[in-house]
Amino acid sequence: EIVMTQSPATLSVSPGERATLSCGASQSVSSNLAWYQQKPGQAPRLLIYGASARATGIPARFSGRGSGTEFTLTISSLKSEDFAVYYCQQYNDWSSLTFGGGTKVEIK
Amino acid sequence: QVQLQEWGPGLVKPSETLSLTCTVSGGSISRSSYYWAWIRQPPGKGLEWIGNIFYSGTTYYNPSLKSRVTISVDTSKNQFSLKVTSVTAADTAMYYCARRSGLFDPWGQGTLVTVSS
Repeated sequence: EIVMTQSPATLSVSPGERATLSCGASQSVSSNLAWYQQKPGQAPRLLIYGASARATGIPARFSGRGSGTEFTLTISSLKSEDFAVYYCQQYNDWSSLTFGGGTKVEIK
Repeated sequence: QVQLQEWGPGLVKPSETLSLTCTVSGGSISRSSYYWAWIRQPPGKGLEWIGNIFYSGTTYYNPSLKSRVTISVDTSKNQFSLKVTSVTAADTAMYYCARRSGLFDPWGQGTLVTVSS
């Protein structure tokens, strides 16, 4: 099983600031990496796939980078609606999909 | 656009079987190259992939749950279902269904299942 590790667990950021979230894989997942946003009481929403491609309707302030075992999600200028929990997920191993533990982005 | 909706009992007794169904609307389960998946999230915790199925019946399961999980599909009803046997309190979670092409999109709104006597 590929283990996905996210850091930090909690990120305190002020509105308008940049947030950078990290996701690491225990072995290479190539670019088969997705990011999701989850707000309280809601299902997760796909933000990024293929490590860097934005899903339909996702604002340009969200960007993803990386390949292999190291990935980042950057929110360039945080808006109030961006405070949420973010998960990464690898889909390189189709027989065993795994998520990271999540990063909570909270208001500073 | 494709939409998914989970439904089933919200309360299950320990040692019994949890059964949920996901209805897909806005697209046919059997006319696509997608898998159809179940994911769960215990209260206050992260996401765990349970397994998924192709319309032909091909399945993949999380190795940690494989011995207790069965996913099936009913193409005539455009639905797929989840069964988890011998449940314990550790199976209490929000259960989501989703369309899968590696990544998961879209998701259903989720249904909370509590295991308690």
